[in-house]
Amino acid sequence: GQQLNQSPQSMFIQEGEDVSMNCTSSSIFNTWLWYKQDPGEGPVLLIALYKAGELTSNGRLTAQFGITRKDSFLNISASIPSDVGIYFCAGPSGGSNYKLTFGKGTLLTVNP
Amino acid sequence: DAMVIQNPRYQVTQFGKPVTLSCSQTLNHNVMYWYQQKSSQAPKLLFHYYDKDFNNEADTPDNFQSRRPNTSFCFLDIRSPGLGDAAMYLCATSREGSSPLHFGNGTRLTVT
Repeated sequence: GQQLNQSPQSMFIQEGEDVSMNCTSSSIFNTWLWYKQDPGEGPVLLIALYKAGELTSNGRLTAQFGITRKDSFLNISASIPSDVGIYFCAGPSGGSNYKLTFGKGTLLTVNP
Repeated sequence: DAMVIQNPRYQVTQFGKPVTLSCSQTLNHNVMYWYQQKSSQAPKLLFHYYDKDFNNEADTPDNFQSRRPNTSFCFLDIRSPGLGDAAMYLCATSREGSSPLHFGNGTRLTVT
């Protein structure tokens, strides 16, 4: 099945720093989604991307849908302590628009 | 305001004792999913309902069953929980043809 390679696995940064994480796929995706999961909670959708080359922002977060349709990145600017959590990329799998494959996640730690 | 509600948030069951987890949604989405998430891992799809049609993933053990009596409710039944079934169970919904999933806050299952 389709696999998503997400990197880095974990990041330790100082408050105020910018962060970048990315996801690559062996096959073409029509949609890229970025979720954040806080400890003990369900994933929350941050940004959805639907078109190759699309660049979308949500506050301090910016995500891009790679032009090859096989990758996406998420940037967080001026990180704050509440950015701590696990960030997952996800995309439709198995030719279906409504079943998702998830990356393995990036654990972000922000030191105040 | 809660849109996908899972009950209970924490569930403790004994080895081999059947347990049921519940999920309800106020979004009127026609697709409902159950994911299993173990510590430090990505969510793994167990099965989903597309309207009333049940779709099992090929590698989901027979021990896991699901019921969807109406659009709003979906249940996960674990017939004989083993120690390896301890995990966070996430319910999610989506609208037909639209891939962003909306997750509940999960039920943390402990098997003693």
